[in-house]
Amino acid sequence: DSGVTQTPKHLITATGQRVTLRCSPRSGDLSVYWYQQSLDQGLQFLIQYYNGEERAKGNILERFSAQQFPDLHSELNLSSLELGDSALYFCASQGQGNNEQFFGPGTRLTVL
Amino acid sequence: AQSVSQHNHHVILSEAASLELGCNYSYGGTVNLFWYVQYPGQHLQLLLKYFSGDPLVKGIKGFEAEFIKSKFSFNLRKPSVQWSDTAEYFCAVNAYSSASKIIFGSGTRLSIRP
Repeated sequence: DSGVTQTPKHLITATGQRVTLRCSPRSGDLSVYWYQQSLDQGLQFLIQYYNGEERAKGNILERFSAQQFPDLHSELNLSSLELGDSALYFCASQGQGNNEQFFGPGTRLTVL
Repeated sequence: AQSVSQHNHHVILSEAASLELGCNYSYGGTVNLFWYVQYPGQHLQLLLKYFSGDPLVKGIKGFEAEFIKSKFSFNLRKPSVQWSDTAEYFCAVNAYSSASKIIFGSGTRLSIRP
């Protein structure tokens, strides 16, 4: 158990819909990272937040957005969903001065 | 831009064979290096990491990796693999200048024949 939690574990929805994925980092970690893992694209970095502020952006679509709240949990919002958005979405947290990332169990999103 | 290359996409070995998975990165400055493992249906877990010091790093489950600065490489090795090592392995690099962003390689799928 990494100490990072993600909900829900599985999500099945239809094209055009909007979903919110939630991540709680390890206690004390200020950084949260979001990744998308699919069979054809591999592990793709989406976005990073540090203490409530966006720190770095990767291959994140404009239909996707994220935020980190004062209690440091983070949410990833995916809208106008397409079939190709079906993937595993991981979040990872990282402590200050320690570059190791700890991954959550992931949310498996299926868009039908 | 920084990048990480894992040239082997899928490796198939028999039990007890020796393993070496390649990882090369492109960044000329100081780096931290990681290998993560993802067992089927699970999340990524840290196998080992290199920050400084001895370039030969020992990790969990008998894995080790060697940092060769002149070759920009951080190859993962295990002398004798087991069926339970079947997993996907990701190399990752963090450059000191990148505000803690870690770049992951595309992963190598390891299949072990029992």
